[in-house]
Amino acid sequence: SAVISQKPSRDICQRGTSLTIQCQVDSQVTMMFWYRQQPGQSLTLIATANQGSEATYESGFVIDKFPISRPNLTFSTLTVSNMSPEDSSIYLCSVDFGGRNTEAFFGQGTRLTVV
Amino acid sequence: AQSVTQPDIHITVSEGASLELRCNYSYGATPYLFWYVQSPGQGLQLLLKYFSGDTLVQGIKGFEAEFKRSQSSFNLRKPSVHWSDAAEYFCAVANPRSGTASKLTFGTGTRLQVTL
Repeated sequence: SAVISQKPSRDICQRGTSLTIQCQVDSQVTMMFWYRQQPGQSLTLIATANQGSEATYESGFVIDKFPISRPNLTFSTLTVSNMSPEDSSIYLCSVDFGGRNTEAFFGQGTRLTVV
Repeated sequence: AQSVTQPDIHITVSEGASLELRCNYSYGATPYLFWYVQSPGQGLQLLLKYFSGDTLVQGIKGFEAEFKRSQSSFNLRKPSVHWSDAAEYFCAVANPRSGTASKLTFGTGTRLQVTL
């Protein structure tokens, strides 16, 4: 099975700063997604990372706060901008390899703490 | 909009006992259905999935789930729980009309504790 690598695995950041999280897959994928899991909560979809075009954001998430890039079929970044303690969460990348009846595969996640 | 309900926030069972985790969904048609498990400090692992066909689905680690259209449910079961099954379990759905089974709406999760 493919390997999905997220970096960093964890970080502690000062409020007001930004953090960029990377998601690298060792094979080409059709779709990439970013989710947030707030402490003790479930996962919420932030956006779909589109290759070569702007990401598609879900309700409640905006590009200025969570800019996303996807320059090719194996790599994406999520930036958490102007962070506040409320942004402390686990951020997860997931991918779809395409084809019929395939499920999402998840990276290990990035645990972010904002102080 | 689709939604997923997991009524049980926390369940405790004895090792060797049977397990059933409940999941109900709200959607206009039959969605794609999934159960994922998240162990402490780990990512999400797929236990099983339902797209169509046989409503009783077998998964990994001895888990199974049954899709009941009349009840809009997709409950997860295991006949005999092992201590290593202690984890957080998430039910999730995807809209077949979205063109992908990977754009997921998750339930709130059920934390399973296993006593020895």
